Amino acid sequence: DAGVTQSPTHLIKTRGQQVTLRCSPKSGHDTVSWYQQALGQGPQFIFQYYEEEERQRGNFPDRFSGHQFPNYSSELNVNALLLGDSALYLCASSLASGATDTQYFGPGTRLTVL
Amino acid sequence: QKEVEQNSGPLSVPEGAIASLNCTYSDRGSQSFFWYRQYSGKSPELIMFIYSNGDKEDGRFTAQLNKASQYVSLLIRDSQPSDSATYLCAVNMVSNYQLIWGAGTKLIIKP
Repeated sequence: DAGVTQSPTHLIKTRGQQVTLRCSPKSGHDTVSWYQQALGQGPQFIFQYYEEEERQRGNFPDRFSGHQFPNYSSELNVNALLLGDSALYLCASSLASGATDTQYFGPGTRLTVL
Repeated sequence: QKEVEQNSGPLSVPEGAIASLNCTYSDRGSQSFFWYRQYSGKSPELIMFIYSNGDKEDGRFTAQLNKASQYVSLLIRDSQPSDSATYLCAVNMVSNYQLIWGAGTKLIIKP
């Protein structure tokens, strides 16, 4: 049973550039949530995708956008990168119709903005 | 502002003892409560979830929920050095799809 996968593992970009991060959910899951985690902080919710639409969004600027594909995989795009965007980006998958709303995390993508 | 509060620690516990981690939340509409473990540089790993008041046990771990007092705790019995990690508390509401996270408690198990 494949777990949540994310790519790439690490990424280094410069200010002003754009980045795309990818996530494949756990087998059988249909919902993908994206989080940003700065060092020493808990994860901060960016947005959640279900049925190829953004179902809920956290307090992040429009520079952060996403997409969900028919196979439930998802992308997170960040435009006009700022130094403050350096963080661990986490993807979590869950099953919308499941008895629980438990989210399972991928290994994360470490983004460094120089 | 919906908040989840945890003591940042570090909490130092001798090997073999019981580690007690606490979490309080501000929103009385919260329905689901989760404990995740995160090793340095890694992603959060689910330990347990709890929905009903009372205790829920899974191996060496026990989650305790008290909705009237708005707190949830995690007990780790027979603590092992491999339990040394940051423990994150997360809370969800039925009407809200996002998890609200605490900043985590760093736990150190001393051999």
